[in-house]
Amino acid sequence: EPEVTQTPSHQVTQMGQEVILRCVPISNHLYFYWYRQILGQKVEFLVSFYNNEISEKSEIFDDQFSVERPDGSNFTLKIRSTKLEDSAMYFCAGHPGLAGQETQYFGPGTRLLVL
Amino acid sequence: GDSVTQMEGPVTLSEEAFLTINCTYTATGYPSLFWYVQYPGEGLQLLLKATKADDKGSNKGFEATYRKETTSFHLEKGSVQVSDSAVYFCALKKVSGGYNKLIFGAGTRLAVHP
Repeated sequence: EPEVTQTPSHQVTQMGQEVILRCVPISNHLYFYWYRQILGQKVEFLVSFYNNEISEKSEIFDDQFSVERPDGSNFTLKIRSTKLEDSAMYFCAGHPGLAGQETQYFGPGTRLLVL
Repeated sequence: GDSVTQMEGPVTLSEEAFLTINCTYTATGYPSLFWYVQYPGEGLQLLLKATKADDKGSNKGFEATYRKETTSFHLEKGSVQVSDSAVYFCALKKVSGGYNKLIFGAGTRLAVHP
């Protein structure tokens, strides 16, 4: 069964550094999402992406964040200048978007630690 | 705004015990409701869902009924197994401009002992 994959599984970085989190969605998926979960808190929506454009973003998704799908397969989340409070588990998700196929399939997550 | 509230964990049970994890929601309109499960080291997997009031979602012995009158979607299982140990997330889906986003509860960790 196809799976969503994410790399790296863990990343440690210094405050102010740029990080890129990578996701490979399932091949027939057209809608993509990033969520994050700060330790002990809720899973929070960050951004949705369709047709190479952001379709919706949350208040968390400020100018330090960006997403792109550079090669038609990878879906990346970039944080330009990390802050301590960006430490969290980041989940990628996707779905085909066809009627009745809107269940989101999640990757295993990337645990980001900002020191 | 829209939100989901779950009972706090951890929930610790013996094998074959009855499980209930409470979930209530606040939302405008008629959201779809979900339970996702996260096994250690893995991503979030859809466990079950319900798209309208009085629907019952079920999978792997787990059940939840969409109760609009009490705005609840409690997860139940009659007899838990050690392999059910995981974190369970209740979520609602908002459709905005044709796009979906999930709003999650905080998650409830379940530990089942032999």
